[in-house]
Amino acid sequence: QVQLQESGPGLVKPSETLSLTCTVSGGSISSYYWSWIRQPPGKGLEWIGYIYYSGSTNYNPSLKSRVTISVDTSKNQFSLKLSSVTAADTAVYYCARGVEDTAMVDTFLDYWGQGTLVTVSS
Amino acid sequence: DIQMTQSPSSLSASVGDRVTITCRASQSISSYLNWYQQKPGKAPKLLIYAASSLQSGVPSRFSGSGSGTDFTLTISSLQPEDFATYYCQQSYITQWTFGQGTKVEIK
Repeated sequence: QVQLQESGPGLVKPSETLSLTCTVSGGSISSYYWSWIRQPPGKGLEWIGYIYYSGSTNYNPSLKSRVTISVDTSKNQFSLKLSSVTAADTAVYYCARGVEDTAMVDTFLDYWGQGTLVTVSS
Repeated sequence: DIQMTQSPSSLSASVGDRVTITCRASQSISSYLNWYQQKPGKAPKLLIYAASSLQSGVPSRFSGSGSGTDFTLTISSLQPEDFATYYCQQSYITQWTFGQGTKVEIK
């Protein structure tokens, strides 16, 4: 059974960089779209971006200038860095696995981590 | 980017009711539409992918339909464990987007 687990600081100061890691167990990190999604308290889901196992990335245009997603296949991990954070970046951050349905070329998120709350505050 | 609009934003229903949630895309997305269920304090769970394909292990009372710009998630007979928030998500373009969510509450 594939499992994803987010890790990283729960508190980040304004203007600093938020850094999270997602560790994948029970399966290979190859051939999938490794994604980050966030959810501000009481609000809906916002897609941040993904990295394909080969290293190609796609980001939410509204966050693109501040986001970097990377992958370490040797450790079965992928990471998120979000720079210049403000209180608006306070959210539960989820990592998830994106799978391409080869019949339709639809891509969906089939496994998710439990989420980690990151608060931006001085 | 593609905007996804769900309606209603919330609804109240009773156990055994048939429930329908709509998701509209700002442009055609073919069938590249997925549905998720989220319960409080939990991660979202995939229900439907490619507009109408049921994810393994998901009860058959959940179904999805639609293509192009208009999509529907139907729960044929609402069960107590179905009270949750539901989100649609498009993967037609590489910048994925979610709908704002529909909260299904107990009447």
